[in-house]
Amino acid sequence: AQKITQTQPGMFVQEKEAVTLDCTYDTSDQSYGLFWYKQPSSGEMIFLIYQGSYDEQNATEGRYSLNFQKARKSANLVISASQLGDSAMYFCAMREGRLTDKLIFGTGTRLQVFP
Amino acid sequence: DVKVTQSSRYLVKRTGEKVFLECVQDMDHENMFWYRQDPGLGLRLIYFSYDVKMKEKGDIPEGYSVSREKKERFSLILESASTNQTSMYLCASSEGGYFYEQYFGPGTRLTVT
Repeated sequence: AQKITQTQPGMFVQEKEAVTLDCTYDTSDQSYGLFWYKQPSSGEMIFLIYQGSYDEQNATEGRYSLNFQKARKSANLVISASQLGDSAMYFCAMREGRLTDKLIFGTGTRLQVFP
Repeated sequence: DVKVTQSSRYLVKRTGEKVFLECVQDMDHENMFWYRQDPGLGLRLIYFSYDVKMKEKGDIPEGYSVSREKKERFSLILESASTNQTSMYLCASSEGGYFYEQYFGPGTRLTVT
């Protein structure tokens, strides 16, 4: 069965430093999509970045990049130059195959950025 | 901008009450979803709908039902609220298709006493 694992319940990073949030996945599908979402304390989920299983290059969106290692089934989020506003919960999610729009979410990582 | 709104941010209900959580999206999205979020468990899918009057069960549908009479509106119904349904409820919508992200509402924090 498809599964997303986030092993870091909490992470701390100093402002302006880079941080990597881990995500591993398990699927038997050849075609899948991986997403990262940010959830600030306000509660709303904010889409950050997407990686398709057939994408040859790692996805990047501004300060966010996705370190996609298909053989290891990992899709780590890298945040460069952390800002205080990056403090939030971060969720990794996977879309199951091509025939559904359902997402499976990991349990999340709480990131705290300190000055 | 895509906007997904939920009828309440905070809701307190009594055990046994019938509870309606409303979600409206303004981008003509085909798909709508209801999730439940609990600490340490991430988001779990309750129900989703890919068209008006169409619905499919997610991973934890027990104790819930849904209604989608219009494309923009997706309602989650707790037929008889119980204390174990105290949680954060998130609604989302997306265009049909493989590559599209889901857009989320602000969430409703429901407390059942």
